[in-house]
Amino acid sequence: AQSVSQHNHHVILSEAASLELGCNYSYGGTVNLFWYVQYPGQHLQLLLKYFSGDPLVKGIKGFEAEFIKSKFSFNLRKPSVQWSDTAEYFCAATGANNLFFGTGTRLTVIP
Amino acid sequence: EPEVTQTPSHQVTQMGQEVILRCVPISNHLYFYWYRQILGQKVEFLVSFYNNEISEKSEIFDDQFSVERPDGSNFTLKIRSTKLEDSAMYFCASSVAVTRGTQYFGPGTRLTVL
Repeated sequence: AQSVSQHNHHVILSEAASLELGCNYSYGGTVNLFWYVQYPGQHLQLLLKYFSGDPLVKGIKGFEAEFIKSKFSFNLRKPSVQWSDTAEYFCAATGANNLFFGTGTRLTVIP
Repeated sequence: EPEVTQTPSHQVTQMGQEVILRCVPISNHLYFYWYRQILGQKVEFLVSFYNNEISEKSEIFDDQFSVERPDGSNFTLKIRSTKLEDSAMYFCASSVAVTRGTQYFGPGTRLTVL
């Protein structure tokens, strides 16, 4: 069955620290991968997406993610986080008609 | 930039009552979705809708749930007889395409069943 796993439930970082959030997926066919962010009290917003081509994709606000097919991974990275990055981050995958979401990672950035 | 909108932002209802959650997808999008997020849990797929019919639904989407596109702009989710466990944030989303279409989410409706 298709699924998405995010192993980090809560990550706490100081400003300017580097970030990497893990995401693993399981799906037998062609998969499209997404990272969404949910700021406190707001709705889901798309950070970046991977459909095909260059496995290193760049998104908004300095985020990037790397698709590693052999590891079934799509980890999110940012070299230097800011306090405003405090939010919930969701990895998602789609193969057919819907999105499968991971459980989310809560990121808290301490000023 | 066009957005998905949802009304109401918060709905409080008594157990057993019917509720209708409303969504206005982005105007040129063809695929519509409902998801829910129970407090503290992950976002879960409920149903997808295309060409005036359900294209896929999850196990959560039982006979108590129905969706409709009553006109050219609205997309509704109806829960016939609400249960306490239906309390959640309900998100509507829409996309231009399915396999390569990015889904854009609305702000959500918080449903509280008492």
